[in-house]
Amino acid sequence: DQQVKQNSPSLSVQEGRISILNCDYTNSMFDYFLWYKKYPAEGPTFLISISSIKDKNEDGRFTVFLNKSAKHLSLHIVPSQPGDSAVYFCAARPSSGSARQLTFGSGTQLTVLP
Amino acid sequence: GAVVSQHPSRVICKSGTSVKIECRSLDFQATTMFWYRQFPKKSLMLMATSNEGSKATYEQGVEKDKFLINHASLTLSTLTVTSAHPEDSSFYICSARDGRAGGRVVLTDTQYFGPGTRLTVL
Repeated sequence: DQQVKQNSPSLSVQEGRISILNCDYTNSMFDYFLWYKKYPAEGPTFLISISSIKDKNEDGRFTVFLNKSAKHLSLHIVPSQPGDSAVYFCAARPSSGSARQLTFGSGTQLTVLP
Repeated sequence: GAVVSQHPSRVICKSGTSVKIECRSLDFQATTMFWYRQFPKKSLMLMATSNEGSKATYEQGVEKDKFLINHASLTLSTLTVTSAHPEDSSFYICSARDGRAGGRVVLTDTQYFGPGTRLTVL
């Protein structure tokens, strides 16, 4: 059972426009969410996170929105740049547990067209 | 800050040999390190959680006798793929969390990833 889902395997956006990447989760114990960016043959790079006590977190061109009732979060990138082209992973972890492991979605390949 | 390195970045070996992958936190101390595996066009799959000075906790379906994990210090965890076979070929990535630097907790909720190791077993 996939607890974190990214239903769009790929997304293409024109440079300068907004990119919206979506993520859904099923585990109500998740209370902290992260987005990672990954280039081929590299490890994921932390991008932005949000705690369940918030519904929005912004960092420069990146904004993450959380809708707890819908168990949905999204990452907005505006304006999109060609260098943003990468695979974006959504991840979540529960509020308790010593390991507080992250559960990852399957990723969305974002391509920003010049 | 928060740099995690992995060595080697790429390894090719013959079937039946063992391969050791090192994961180091360079500028912080990591009490917890995680090992992931990624197949082409698939998500990151958590293999095991490694706490310094104790035995690793393996995820269901991951053979602990095949994937040996040692977390001997706060800056180093190793993954040894024993008697590797072609099906073990994959991209292995480690991450580190709960860091301390100079006695202060500087990382709490974020995992920082290494660059990954591409293992190819012939």
